[in-house]
Amino acid sequence: AQKITQTQPGMFVQEKEAVTLDCTYDTSDPSYGLFWYKQPSSGEMIFLIYQGSYDQQNATEGRYSLNFQKARKSANLVISASQLGDSAMYFCAMREVNSGGSNYKLTFGKGTLLTVNP
Amino acid sequence: EAGVTQSPTHLIKTRGQQVTLRCSPISGHTSVYWYQQALGLGLQFLLWYDEGEERNRGNFPPRFSGRQFPNYSSELNVNALELEDSALYLCASSLAGRSRNTEAFFGQGTRLTVV
Repeated sequence: AQKITQTQPGMFVQEKEAVTLDCTYDTSDPSYGLFWYKQPSSGEMIFLIYQGSYDQQNATEGRYSLNFQKARKSANLVISASQLGDSAMYFCAMREVNSGGSNYKLTFGKGTLLTVNP
Repeated sequence: EAGVTQSPTHLIKTRGQQVTLRCSPISGHTSVYWYQQALGLGLQFLLWYDEGEERNRGNFPPRFSGRQFPNYSSELNVNALELEDSALYLCASSLAGRSRNTEAFFGQGTRLTVV
């Protein structure tokens, strides 16, 4: 079973509008971290936002916010006031404990390609 | 402060050859992760090094190997290259591998083409 599921291969949004990129995850670890990364065509992965499983409030970083619904195991990224430069691949990722109990790895979803139209 | 640096940025190799990719983490970071991103696919976890030791390995054949040096820089070696090894190889570093709350910062990647 996939650990991280991003069901939207591609999304389109008009400039200055808000867009939500979906992410659901699967883990039995009660403590985990959720991340969103942006990958422009240049290839570099850019860290956007982090949400801890015990955080009481949804994370926000500028125009980025994370809609964290723990019971539903979802961590959707909301980008407000989209800009042309937001066009990129967006990856949701999770850090969890592996079966050894002391090691962690970062697992990524397959990504969503966001296109911002002028 | 310098970010994660990877070298080379681009590489062309022929099938059957061997290749070594290099990664220098952010100063103070002890964990290094390697990922493979083939065209149109997500990131596939390759290897994780923390404080000089291999901590975890993805579902890749043994011809993918690596190491981490005392200064925490890392190498990824791929032997007997195959055409499907053509991909962007991304390296990431983080402060401490055992922390759930530590984001990983990525380098710009090495784009490997096998012909």
